[in-house]
Amino acid sequence: NAGVMQNPRHLVRRRGQEARLRCSPMKGHSHVYWYRQLPEEGLKFMVYLQKENIIDESGMPKERFSAEFPKEGPSILRIQQVVRGDSAAYFCASSSGQENGNTIYFGEGSWLTVV
Amino acid sequence: AQSVTQPDIHITVSEGASLELRCNYSYGATPYLFWYVQSPGQGLQLLLKYFSGDTLVQGIKGFEAEFKRSQSSFNLRKPSVHWSDAAEYFCAVNSGGYQKVTFGTGTKLQVIP
Repeated sequence: NAGVMQNPRHLVRRRGQEARLRCSPMKGHSHVYWYRQLPEEGLKFMVYLQKENIIDESGMPKERFSAEFPKEGPSILRIQQVVRGDSAAYFCASSSGQENGNTIYFGEGSWLTVV
Repeated sequence: AQSVTQPDIHITVSEGASLELRCNYSYGATPYLFWYVQSPGQGLQLLLKYFSGDTLVQGIKGFEAEFKRSQSSFNLRKPSVHWSDAAEYFCAVNSGGYQKVTFGTGTKLQVIP
């Protein structure tokens, strides 16, 4: 499967625990994006990463959330000390990073439930 | 800053009827525009995109969209809707360069027999 791969698809965490969501971009893509989708809401941009570099993190909450995209391995979205309000679908997307027409392709999402 | 407005939250159409989903964007220069579709519990699938050239673009599943600069719109159309088209549709804009893609709030399409 050459598409964007996310895991886990579903994750349940108790309040105060940590959640780690992983994303492997499409083959040949070096740019990764994370979006959050809350029930009955649209997609909210969180962060845009290139390998070993954060390009835009303007949508990331200031606390508890972090993201990385190392030289080797998948991109990781980390949520520390989760709260009920973090329950959402988290989508990863990737692109080739071409300067014009930055088409992004989505994974199937990771559904986080905080109990 | 770029933004996207999808004025219709829900739309219901009869199977076989035509469909038009509205999208308006805000961006000073020529934007890059996209439509995605999302089925429940799934990720977003790219339907079509506009970068330049012909303002009427064809996509997958029989969808098309027309870029109208004068109206800052990029409406999605389909001449005859099928029950399998029931899903949520998102319009998105990108200003080019290494910029994020901004999404509208989505339009949920219901198809009735």
